Amino acid sequence: GAGVSQSPSNKVTEKGKDVELRCDPISGHTALYWYRQSLGQGLEFLIYFQGNSAPDKSGLPSDRFSAERTGGSVSTLTIQRTQQEDSAVYLCASSLVDEKTQYFGPGTRLLVL
Amino acid sequence: AQTVTQSQPEMSVQEAETVTLSCTYDTSESDYYLFWYKQPPSRQMILVIRQEAYKQQNATENRFSVNFQKAAKSFSLKISDSQLGDAAMYFCAHYTSGTYKYIFGTGTRLKVLA
Repeated sequence: GAGVSQSPSNKVTEKGKDVELRCDPISGHTALYWYRQSLGQGLEFLIYFQGNSAPDKSGLPSDRFSAERTGGSVSTLTIQRTQQEDSAVYLCASSLVDEKTQYFGPGTRLLVL
Repeated sequence: AQTVTQSQPEMSVQEAETVTLSCTYDTSESDYYLFWYKQPPSRQMILVIRQEAYKQQNATENRFSVNFQKAAKSFSLKISDSQLGDAAMYFCAHYTSGTYKYIFGTGTRLKVLA
């Protein structure tokens, strides 16, 4: 079946602009995660959605970052007033809570000039 | 707090040889899972192998196997008969059911020499 998809694949923006990154999880997966991966670094947890429960936003680095998940499926990560330090690869992953294994999308590479 | 440590930033192995990547973790939880993910230059994170903490038997998947030492909190990955396609970044990850969070190590870059 189809895996996790993310769009756009690459995004170049100017400092101060807002960007939206999209994630389509595997159908039926109730858990959805966003991560940030800076160059040469590991994965930094940003936010976690599980079904209709309130999301765990504890990893969001500032109030410029927000995310929503509509209808328990597609998720959008929004970064307002982008800064150069926001440049990174943003990865989305989904899972069945009972299965525990995460399946990742190909990521969005964000470059803020 | 849970932590995952990968002390080898980079490793090299000759094609067809065996290599072991190290990972240690720290947790106070009893119910947890451990994973190795591979990230090739395409960026796509691919599951290599997983281990449930309650299982004593080490997981294996074809050429990939783990050495899970629960008391030592060690979870190393052994790749046998290394192939050029194994070249990638490898990330160790820890998951606890209590937090629903995955904690990743900083990764080990594996180079496979022809």
